[in-house]
Amino acid sequence: KAGVTQTPRYLIKTRGQQVTLSCSPISGHRSVSWYQQTPGQGLQFLFEYFSETQRNKGNFPGRFSGRQFSNSRSEMNVSTLELGDSALYLCASSLGVPSYEQYFGPGTRLTVT
Amino acid sequence: EDQVTQSPEALRLQEGESSSLNCSYTVSGLRGLFWYRQDPGKGPEFLFTLYSAGEEKEKERLKATLTKKESFLHITAPKPEDSATYLCAVQYSGAGSYQLTFGKGTKLSVIP
Repeated sequence: KAGVTQTPRYLIKTRGQQVTLSCSPISGHRSVSWYQQTPGQGLQFLFEYFSETQRNKGNFPGRFSGRQFSNSRSEMNVSTLELGDSALYLCASSLGVPSYEQYFGPGTRLTVT
Repeated sequence: EDQVTQSPEALRLQEGESSSLNCSYTVSGLRGLFWYRQDPGKGPEFLFTLYSAGEEKEKERLKATLTKKESFLHITAPKPEDSATYLCAVQYSGAGSYQLTFGKGTKLSVIP
């Protein structure tokens, strides 16, 4: 069974631009969560989706948004990029009740210059 | 105050020298404690889930245990390929259903 895939793997953007990252979960998984990883803050929760509904959102500004499609694929968008948004963005998928185990993709490395 | 604290931050072991990594948590209503391994530039790789105090799980040279306020990841006779950052995370009531709250990790280096 294929794992979680994320595209693109690497991205370089300029301050003020916006970016869209994509995540395809493991086949059959209905939940997708997004995390930001930086050397200083570690892994921080962004948001989680289940059946196209955002169930929970972390403590990030409104510039960070996401959505989930009917096939469980998910996208996250960051508008008006800042230098501090440079990070590894990780997507994780979960089968759903009764399993809450999350499996991570390889991540998208975003660099903002 | 951090909800999940891992110690030590870094650990250097000689090949074959067994040791333990610690993960302590302060959240209430624990639903699950997760261990992941992360190699540089890659996403975390799932290792174990523990749900209740007293539970233990093993995989090759790794054994994870859980008490009411902490978890240990025991590494027996480690090999250089065990070098990685080990992350601990919790799911708890009061947070999102699938939301993981992570510790900062323990970077393990195993020297041949």
